[in-house]
Amino acid sequence: DTGVSQNPRHKITKRGQNVTFRCDPISEHNRLYWYRQTLGQGPEFLTYFQNEAQLEKSRLLSDRFSAERPKGSFSTLEIQRTEQGDSAMYLCASLPAGSGNTIYFGEGSWLTVV
Amino acid sequence: SQQGEEDPQALSIQEGENATMNCSYKTSINNLQWYRQNSGRGLVHLILIRSNEREKHSGRLRVTLDTSKKSSSLLITASRAADTASYFCATGLAAGNKLTFGGGTRVLVKP
Repeated sequence: DTGVSQNPRHKITKRGQNVTFRCDPISEHNRLYWYRQTLGQGPEFLTYFQNEAQLEKSRLLSDRFSAERPKGSFSTLEIQRTEQGDSAMYLCASLPAGSGNTIYFGEGSWLTVV
Repeated sequence: SQQGEEDPQALSIQEGENATMNCSYKTSINNLQWYRQNSGRGLVHLILIRSNEREKHSGRLRVTLDTSKKSSSLLITASRAADTASYFCATGLAAGNKLTFGGGTRVLVKP
């Protein structure tokens, strides 16, 4: 257990529904990252925050996706009008300020869109 | 797009043997990291090597980095059944920046 907590761990939803995932990073880690991983592939970067500021967004993050980190602590990733292609594991990771480059990942949230 | 590409994509070995996997990347990097992922689980950090380093060891793991060839290797010595997992290399272009992952090497260690 790295200390990065993600909820829910599994979510099955019908196409067209909205889903929200939550990530609680390691305390006092100021950088927070979201990745998406499909079966048999490596994780793909979605977005990251430094404190509450969203510093970079991937082109993978379509307008149906929105991520927030309102108080610089936990973060949410919302997917609106889900599509079957959104089925994947959504990984959150965090990094402390100024102490190296090791990024710590949570256990991920599995999304299945039916 | 994926910066790193691992080779081989899959590897099957007997317990006690060594496992070697390679990673190639395209652009200059600040650091390269290796992660392990058990099926359906999150990623566990194994080792980080900086661009000015050539080799690092951690227990049964040995990582090399050749920046002139833009490649890295991960060696797991005396493998165990518990080493069965997917192994990913990830590159960072700057300290604290996002990591870009390769497609992974799936390692099966048979008892």
